[in-house]
Amino acid sequence: QKEVEQNSGPLSVPEGAIASLNCTYSDRVSQSFFWYRQYSGKSPELIMSIYSNGDKEDGRFTAQLNKASQYVSLLIRDSQPSDSATYLCAGGGSGGGADGLTFGKGTHLIIQP
Amino acid sequence: EPEVTQTPSHQVTQMGQEVILRCVPISNHLYFYWYRQILGQKVEFLVSFYNNEISEKSEIFDDQFSVERPDGSNFTLKIRSTKLEDSAMYFCASSPDSYRQTQYFGPGTRLLVL
Repeated sequence: QKEVEQNSGPLSVPEGAIASLNCTYSDRVSQSFFWYRQYSGKSPELIMSIYSNGDKEDGRFTAQLNKASQYVSLLIRDSQPSDSATYLCAGGGSGGGADGLTFGKGTHLIIQP
Repeated sequence: EPEVTQTPSHQVTQMGQEVILRCVPISNHLYFYWYRQILGQKVEFLVSFYNNEISEKSEIFDDQFSVERPDGSNFTLKIRSTKLEDSAMYFCASSPDSYRQTQYFGPGTRLLVL
């Protein structure tokens, strides 16, 4: 059974600070990982993808992958109130493009002005 | 920027009725997916579709469900006899490639079964 685990929060961070979101996965999830942002009542919006160990930066976002620890994280620098949302961690299947993503329950992030 | 589109945005139906949810994936994408999200719960994979056939399906995707690509642009999910527990947001997604598995989601259809 594929598993992706996230702390549901809420995680409250002051505006301008760094928000740190974490995710762990079972070894049956593939090595492709994704962070999606979901506003209430809306669809998941892709923020970052990461496929190899280490860090990947895109603007204010940095994704980190540690395969040995089966751990994925997302850092949001200079947090803005508009970053307040639920952040979903997802792992791809081991079978490539045909596989569905396995999602965690999501972490509810609140940026306090 | 190309987007996945879905219709209708909302659908209300009576238990036992058939519903068809429609999606137009991004035009040059090859892989198509349906997911559902019951209110307050995680996004769950239903089915993937490639080269005009189902590639993978989850335990949720039982005989009540079917998918079809009736033409070159549309991708549909049919629920034959809806149950109360089918009430959820249904998301269509598409992906351009087989390796990176990067999936882009449509806005969803909110299905309410009464």
